Amino acid sequence: KAGVTQTPRYLIKTRGQQVTLSCSPISGHRSVSWYQQTPGQGLQFLFEYFSETQRNKGNFPGRFSGRQFSNSRSEMNVSTLELGDSALYLCASSSSSLRTLPPGELFFGEGSRLTVL
Amino acid sequence: AQSVSQHNHHVILSEAASLELGCNYSYGGTVNLFWYVQYPGQHLQLLLKYFSGDPLVKGIKGFEAEFIKSKFSFNLRKPSVQWSDTAEYFCAVNPKSSGDKLTFGTGTRLAVRP
Repeated sequence: KAGVTQTPRYLIKTRGQQVTLSCSPISGHRSVSWYQQTPGQGLQFLFEYFSETQRNKGNFPGRFSGRQFSNSRSEMNVSTLELGDSALYLCASSSSSLRTLPPGELFFGEGSRLTVL
Repeated sequence: AQSVSQHNHHVILSEAASLELGCNYSYGGTVNLFWYVQYPGQHLQLLLKYFSGDPLVKGIKGFEAEFIKSKFSFNLRKPSVQWSDTAEYFCAVNPKSSGDKLTFGTGTRLAVRP
């Protein structure tokens, strides 16, 4: 089955702009998580959505937001971009559900590489 | 808040050498533990996971890891590495009942010389 698909793969923005990244999870997966990957900070958790509800949130400013649609597709938005937002943004999906213990294995997409100039 | 430490940032080995990558976490409760791998130009993928039971878990490609609860450690091992094991390895912890939220270590870059 198709993997996690992220679009766009690469984008360049300037400071102050906003950006929207999209993620299509593996078919049947209802949980979608977002991570920011940078050389200095590594992988940092942004947020997790399950059935259109934000289930967990990381320690990022309010400029970072996300949402999940009824078909489990997810978007994340970063407003008022800063140079430090340059990173690889990874989306991951899993088959975990509220009744599933332990959590499902995360399947990652290839990421959206954002460069802020 | 939980944290994960990977002590080795860069490791260089020759083929057939044994590998052990250290991972320690700090968290007061029960956790699920993972090792993920990122091969050059590829996306992150799961190498192995520990949820409960036998603390020695086996993953893909001959990797294994041992959970030592008293040491808060989950070290990754492979008896004999191959050139194709060149990749970046990430340890991750997931507190139970926290959904799919993972806290990752900073990663270890492994280079295997043929």
